[in-house]
Amino acid sequence: SAVISQKPSRDICQRGTSLTIQCQVDSQVTMMFWYRQQPGQSLTLIATANQGSEATYESGFVIDKFPISRPNLTFSTLTVSNMSPEDSSIYLCSALTGSSYNEQFFGPGTRLTVL
Amino acid sequence: AQSVTQPDIHITVSEGASLELRCNYSYGATPYLFWYVQSPGQGLQLLLKYFSGDTLVQGIKGFEAEFKRSQSSFNLRKPSVHWSDAAEYFCAVGARGNNDMRFGAGTRLTVKP
Repeated sequence: SAVISQKPSRDICQRGTSLTIQCQVDSQVTMMFWYRQQPGQSLTLIATANQGSEATYESGFVIDKFPISRPNLTFSTLTVSNMSPEDSSIYLCSALTGSSYNEQFFGPGTRLTVL
Repeated sequence: AQSVTQPDIHITVSEGASLELRCNYSYGATPYLFWYVQSPGQGLQLLLKYFSGDTLVQGIKGFEAEFKRSQSSFNLRKPSVHWSDAAEYFCAVGARGNNDMRFGAGTRLTVKP
């Protein structure tokens, strides 16, 4: 298993600014993912964070808006750039360990409100 | 690509009553199946998972789920609901051979005293 922490847990931001969310895993993991959960909605995969290379983005998400870093096997960041109220969501980090048969472990999420 | 349908958006049950949350999936082969629970303001916690073998799987907090290939279903059950079970429940399907996971829309469970 893996224990995942995220910082910040919540934030209120102004339109046009950017916020970087950090995700820390307590052990080395093979893959890390970033999801968005809009109010009252299910989870939508934003991208897969690849260690040592550019993230792989899902349809509808672009690097300029959601730049992602993964400098090592336990840490990743997601930046929400040039924010608008439509970006108000919960952002969740998850990780996949090598032995977990596609079982993803989730962080507690970052609740973002954009005014 | 795989997909998941949770037909019930909101379910209300009385405390002590039994519970069944429905999940139907679409996938061309045998999938990996998961149920997650999300309490208000929290992240997702894994309740149980199915990869292969026994089609009735036991999870945490007294939950169980049954994989029925003929019905493409993976319904979650609990014989007696507790007030603390009030939360959002998500069914998810993963594909063998890749790391893609798709989530259902979720079912919100309300527990009446």
